[in-house]
Amino acid sequence: EAQVTQNPRYLITVTGKKLTVTCSQNMNHEYMSWYRQDPGLGLRQIYYSMNVEVTDKGDVPEGYKVSRKEKRNFPLILESPSPNQTSLYFCASSQQAGPYEQYFGPGTRLTVT
Amino acid sequence: AQSVTQLGSHVSVSEGALVLLRCNYSSSVPPYLFWYVQYPNQGLQLLLKYTTGATLVKGINGFEAEFKKSETSFHLTKPSAHMSDAAEYFCAVAGGATNKLIFGTGTLLAVQP
Repeated sequence: EAQVTQNPRYLITVTGKKLTVTCSQNMNHEYMSWYRQDPGLGLRQIYYSMNVEVTDKGDVPEGYKVSRKEKRNFPLILESPSPNQTSLYFCASSQQAGPYEQYFGPGTRLTVT
Repeated sequence: AQSVTQLGSHVSVSEGALVLLRCNYSSSVPPYLFWYVQYPNQGLQLLLKYTTGATLVKGINGFEAEFKKSETSFHLTKPSAHMSDAAEYFCAVAGGATNKLIFGTGTLLAVQP
């Protein structure tokens, strides 16, 4: 089954404790992206990747890092999480850059206390 | 720069009534336009998209949208609402080589029996 998987689905952590949210897709997609969803703000792009080893900042990259060492994986790293990073995070992938459907993972709900 | 405005953060309709969710966009290049749906505790799923060609686009679950360049609109409609249509709906615009999706703030649709 074609899908985007994220882990963990739920995470509660404390300020400053490094964490990684994994994202994997099995569709051989070149383009991958991370979004955060906050009430009243819709989805905002954090980082995206056009292909392996090619990443770039989205609209809200502060406090986040990403890497794309393999085509299928695109982990999101929070080196020193803060309470304002409490949010619902989605990973997405698409065939290529351009007018293609993005496939979304199920989301990761992160709470930073 | 591209942007999307969704009018009405909450819309309530009766079962069997017309569904109309409004979306206006701003884009300096020919836009690619999308409607995504988010059911509770799930990721986003593509309903329909406009890239080029026919301006009336049909999607899944009986939804359709019409691209009106003169009005910079891409409103989503469904002739007869069903209880299962209750969800949050996001309009999005993309364009250019980065395939960056710009989301609206979402419209929560409630369907009353």
